[in-house]
Amino acid sequence: AQSVTQPDIHITVSEGASLELRCNYSYGATPYLFWYVQSPGQGLQLLLKYFSGDTLVQGIKGFEAEFKRSQSSFNLRKPSVHWSDAAEYFCAVGAGNTDKLIFGTGTRLQVFP
Amino acid sequence: GAVVSQHPSWVICKSGTSVKIECRSLDFQATTMFWYRQFPKQSLMLMATSNEGSKATYEQGVEKDKFLINHASLTLSTLTVTSAHPEDSSFYICSARDPGTEASWGYTFGSGTRLTVV
Repeated sequence: AQSVTQPDIHITVSEGASLELRCNYSYGATPYLFWYVQSPGQGLQLLLKYFSGDTLVQGIKGFEAEFKRSQSSFNLRKPSVHWSDAAEYFCAVGAGNTDKLIFGTGTRLQVFP
Repeated sequence: GAVVSQHPSWVICKSGTSVKIECRSLDFQATTMFWYRQFPKQSLMLMATSNEGSKATYEQGVEKDKFLINHASLTLSTLTVTSAHPEDSSFYICSARDPGTEASWGYTFGSGTRLTVV
């Protein structure tokens, strides 16, 4: 069965520092991978997605993620974090044979000035 | 881009009453919509897949008689929480798949509905 693990429940960084949020997935075939961001009391906004091709994916708001098949990982990165990036971040995997998205447990990002 | 409108954004109801939540795709037709439930500080749990013109497909453990889903048109799906109880209080989020996007994996999420049952 497909699953997604986000090992870090809560991360705190200083504004301007670099960021990496970890995501590991379990899926037998090539997965469809997504990163979403959720502000408090809001829905989810898609940051980026990977289907195939170049393993380094660029997203919105300066985020990028790298698909590493050997490590079953899809970590999200940003070189310089802004205070407005404070939010909950969810990694998700889409199963090719269904329409379902399986979400990780999320990582809450806190940014200090 | 694709927009999904979810209404209401928050609702308070008395225990035993029913509450309807609407999810509309504003600028595309969505043959498939999804309903999620999110507990505080937790992830999204898929409740059901709503298919236009047919019965919803519920995930294991979700009571289909309590959470009624209707997808009567290509732009509207509704979730009705029947005979609500305090344990049904949660954040409910819908999403719709925009078939016009790459590889048909274009999911757009609504802004969510905070349900509080008192």
